[in-house]
Amino acid sequence: SAVISQKPSRDICQRGTSLTIQCQVDSQVTMMFWYRQQPGQSLTLIATANQGSEATYESGFVIDKFPISRPNLTFSTLTVSNMSPEDSSIYLCSVVMVSETQYFGPGTRLLVL
Amino acid sequence: DAKTTQPTSMDCAEGRAANLPCNHSTISGNEYVYWYRQIHSQGPQYIIHGLKNNETNEMASLIITEDRKSSTLILPHATLRDTAVYYCIVRVSNTGTASKLTFGTGTRLQVTL
Repeated sequence: SAVISQKPSRDICQRGTSLTIQCQVDSQVTMMFWYRQQPGQSLTLIATANQGSEATYESGFVIDKFPISRPNLTFSTLTVSNMSPEDSSIYLCSVVMVSETQYFGPGTRLLVL
Repeated sequence: DAKTTQPTSMDCAEGRAANLPCNHSTISGNEYVYWYRQIHSQGPQYIIHGLKNNETNEMASLIITEDRKSSTLILPHATLRDTAVYYCIVRVSNTGTASKLTFGTGTRLQVTL
């Protein structure tokens, strides 16, 4: 399995500000994804982080709100821009290994006031 | 990806086997059955997956019916630490963005003394 770390683990932010979440994996992976889990809800896929090119966003998510970078095979960032209280969620990085199994990071708990 | 149907919640006594069912009647021939669980406030944890044969690892056993339209995850000796939401997901093999996991609402397993 992969060791996936996320920074920060949690944060409290003011509305209108932006937060960048980092995801680092300890081995090369084939795919990287970003998910969101709103309070009391299941996980929702935000986008696929593509190495060296623009991310592929799911319906309902746009690049201006959730810009994503993936400069190499083991690192990605997700920015939550111009935050509002509705953005309060757990944000999870996820990777697919060469074995084709998908693993998840510990999550970043975001509270927007 | 095919959709899955799981009971909303289940209870299990500690030390007993927990049998979690999942229906995936529209599963395609190239789709695997994956099981994850999410313990409160943590990222989802991979448990096991299979295509058509039964599978067993150190965590659980996966029984897939011959027609592949349903499966059962078995935790042979449930402990209090197995209390979590269990997700059954069908997913194609690693073919790029199609390999993304789509989460339903899962089964909330409560293990009791």
